[in-house]
Amino acid sequence: EPEVTQTPSHQVTQMGQEVILRCVPISNHLYFYWYRQILGQKVEFLVSFYNNEISEKSEIFDDQFSVERPDGSNFTLKIRSTKLEDSAMYFCASSEAVVAEAFFGQGTRLTVV
Amino acid sequence: RKEVEQDPGPFNVPEGATVAFNCTYSNSASQSFFWYRQDCRKEPKLLMSVYSSGNEDGRFTAQLNRASQYISLLIRDSKLSDSATYLCVVLNNAGNMLTFGGGTRLMVKP
Repeated sequence: EPEVTQTPSHQVTQMGQEVILRCVPISNHLYFYWYRQILGQKVEFLVSFYNNEISEKSEIFDDQFSVERPDGSNFTLKIRSTKLEDSAMYFCASSEAVVAEAFFGQGTRLTVV
Repeated sequence: RKEVEQDPGPFNVPEGATVAFNCTYSNSASQSFFWYRQDCRKEPKLLMSVYSSGNEDGRFTAQLNRASQYISLLIRDSKLSDSATYLCVVLNNAGNMLTFGGGTRLMVKP
């Protein structure tokens, strides 16, 4: 069964450092997303991406965040200067079409120290 | 009013019981709805989409009431493996953003 894969599964970084979280969406999917979940809280939307551009973003997705699809398979989330409050589980998701079910990767647990 | 609201639970039920969860949403223009399941520290996994006419998948039945803006999930004959957090999820009209409820925790006991 096709699945969304994310690397690394866990990343520890020092405050102020840049991190790149990587995702390989399901191969025939055209819509890509990043969500995050702070421990004990609900899943929150960050950004959606379609046709090589951002189609929607939340207030959380400020200037320190960026997304990129550098090649035909990878989808990345970059956090330029990490803060302690960026510590969370980051989930990548993809869907085949608009108004279709989204499938989530297993997540990257980011810990900022 | 929260965009998507759920009773956090926990719902503690014995094996074999029937349990129902409700969820309310604030945007009356929302068109698509889903139930996801999340195990502790794992990713959300799609359980089922929710259609206007209601739909069933094995032991699971989902209903949508647009007039009252609520969605329900019914689980029959609960199994130990059903223990998880159930997330009510609403897709925006543009189809590019999911809004999650805080989840309802279910614990099925032997």
